Amino acid sequence: SYELTQPPSVSVSPGQTARITCSGDALPKKYAYWYQQKSGQAPVLVIYEDSKRPSGIPERFSGSSSGTMATLTISGAQVEDEADYYCFSTDSSGNLWVFGGGTKLTVL
Amino acid sequence: EVQLVESGGGLVQPGGSLRLSCAASGFTFSTYWMSWVRQAPGKGLEWVANIKQDGSEKYYVDSVKGRFTISRDNAKNSLYLQMNNLRAEDTALYYCARDRSIFGVWGQGTTVTVSS
Repeated sequence: SYELTQPPSVSVSPGQTARITCSGDALPKKYAYWYQQKSGQAPVLVIYEDSKRPSGIPERFSGSSSGTMATLTISGAQVEDEADYYCFSTDSSGNLWVFGGGTKLTVL
Repeated sequence: EVQLVESGGGLVQPGGSLRLSCAASGFTFSTYWMSWVRQAPGKGLEWVANIKQDGSEKYYVDSVKGRFTISRDNAKNSLYLQMNNLRAEDTALYYCARDRSIFGVWGQGTTVTVSS
């Protein structure tokens, strides 16, 4: 079965840049999506189709993808950005979808 | 207001069945793929299944194939997940979400607990 691999945790100080990676064999041909989930809340889409930002998401959130790795970048991370972040994509068939294991971002 | 509201969760014994429902409002339900995503206690998100606008295509994560069935009723603006032969590892908060990748709308979730 297809897997997306993320680091379990990333830690930065406020104002620093946080980078969360997601690796998967199909990423060169399939888009990555990124979801933020704060404790006790439903997930929120922060990046779609590798690098597009939904309306209402702060500009400090950006995404990129190169080869088998997609990256979520939070430029000037804020305390309120502390959350679990999940990448999401599909396998080479385009029919089976998977979330990465999630990355806990700590900003302190 | 665009909204998804799940219902139907509860406590069930191993081997039992449950049917989850998701009521949609505030958007044209029939024009969207719909998905189920679950989250076991303290664990990450897991995609479970999705269904095309007209119900003609359905896809499932391997661990639920043959046990779960996703369906929809566009006349009732509703999404369903029939879960049979439930296992302890199916214990989770189940979310319905609009679309099959750009999940811009989520419900609040309904909790399924499989335990004897």
